[in-house]
Amino acid sequence: DAGVIQSPRHEVTEMGQEVTLRCKPISGHNSLFWYRQTMMRGLELLIYFNNNVPIDDSGMPEDRFSAKMPNASFSTLKIQPSEPRDSAVYFCASSLQGASNQPQHFGDGTRLSIL
Amino acid sequence: GESVGLHLPTLSVQEGDNSIINCAYSNSASDYFIWYKQESGKGPQFIIDIRSNMDKRQGQRVTVLLNKTVKHLSLQIAATQPGDSAVYFCAENNYGQNFVFGPGTRLSVLP
Repeated sequence: DAGVIQSPRHEVTEMGQEVTLRCKPISGHNSLFWYRQTMMRGLELLIYFNNNVPIDDSGMPEDRFSAKMPNASFSTLKIQPSEPRDSAVYFCASSLQGASNQPQHFGDGTRLSIL
Repeated sequence: GESVGLHLPTLSVQEGDNSIINCAYSNSASDYFIWYKQESGKGPQFIIDIRSNMDKRQGQRVTVLLNKTVKHLSLQIAATQPGDSAVYFCAENNYGQNFVFGPGTRLSVLP
């Protein structure tokens, strides 16, 4: 079974550039989550969607960050303009919404380095 | 705010021994808990979960114990193998979809 698929796996870019991270959730899962992981802060929830609708974006650090989910099988997380402090590993996860107590399944992440 | 696991300890065990990884949670209303394993360069992988109406659940070589009285969760790995080396996270959930993740414990398996 295909898990959560993220692309690219690695991204290195200069500060000020736009960065777009992509995620394909597990087929049939209708909740999607974006996380950021750093050594200092661990795993932080940025935003999550239910049925393609953003539910909670309180974890999005700044207006430079935006996320979209145009359909059930695709989501993007965009940073514009990027800054060195955005360097981290960004994870996407999906789960079944509506059923209580369901685990989230993670992709292998995008390692982002902003120079 | 509520938090799960305030420290990142490292646990070293001999291959073949049993491992016990601990996690303290602070939200007494949390009703669902998960243990994840994260290997280098990969995302967290679901290992086992437990609901608050249980105090023990067993999987293949793993057991999760929940002590709601002291708000403590543990993961026991039997006959630890080199492939078990990873960072282990506990996560708690309170009737919602947001999980709070702990900082993790690094497990090193010694030959």
